[in-house]
Amino acid sequence: DAGVIQSPRHEVTEMGQEVTLRCKPISGHDYLFWYRQTMMRGLELLIYFNNNVPIDDSGMPEDRFSAKMPNASFSTLKIQPSEPRDSAVYFCASSLGFSGTGGFNYGYTFGSGTRLTVV
Amino acid sequence: SQQGEEDPQALSIQEGENATMNCSYKTSINNLQWYRQNSGRGLVHLILIRSNEREKHSGRLRVTLDTSKKSSSLLITASRAADTASYFCATDPDRGSTLGRLYFGRGTQLTVWP
Repeated sequence: DAGVIQSPRHEVTEMGQEVTLRCKPISGHDYLFWYRQTMMRGLELLIYFNNNVPIDDSGMPEDRFSAKMPNASFSTLKIQPSEPRDSAVYFCASSLGFSGTGGFNYGYTFGSGTRLTVV
Repeated sequence: SQQGEEDPQALSIQEGENATMNCSYKTSINNLQWYRQNSGRGLVHLILIRSNEREKHSGRLRVTLDTSKKSSSLLITASRAADTASYFCATDPDRGSTLGRLYFGRGTQLTVWP
């Protein structure tokens, strides 16, 4: 398997523009997570999906952020309009989740991330 | 907060030495995981230890878990320059409302000098 695939790897955009980040999870993984990483705030969970359904979006900073998972093999994170404070590395991760007992007992597989710079 | 906290924030050692990183957390957990992140890359899963386990090994990695103290440690033996990375612990809290997600700490930056 090619792992979790994110695109683009780098994105530089002007303030006010729409930004769309893309993620292809590992086939068969039924959990998908979007994280944001900055030096100041560390790794923040934005939203996660189980079987394509959003489970918890409480980490989405504002209405400017939206995420979709139209099918099991694709998810997008959209920022509209973008602002300089959105500059960060955005990671997508997927996981099998549960094996039946004992909690969330599979690891996450992370993509290589999208480095977003809003100027 | 349900996330783990790693200690120390930064660790600098020579090749061949052992590196020990610690993680403390506040709630009961189902399991605890450790991840590594090389500069400019995504996190990589290293090892998972369940709440009923006390120690686990994987190659040069040794993880311990003390649920009574709500703490875990990651030991890397005979470190190499290639071990230079940030190391994160992540907890799966034993609470129904949080099932399905992990809580990551801020990480320990390990530098191994040749």
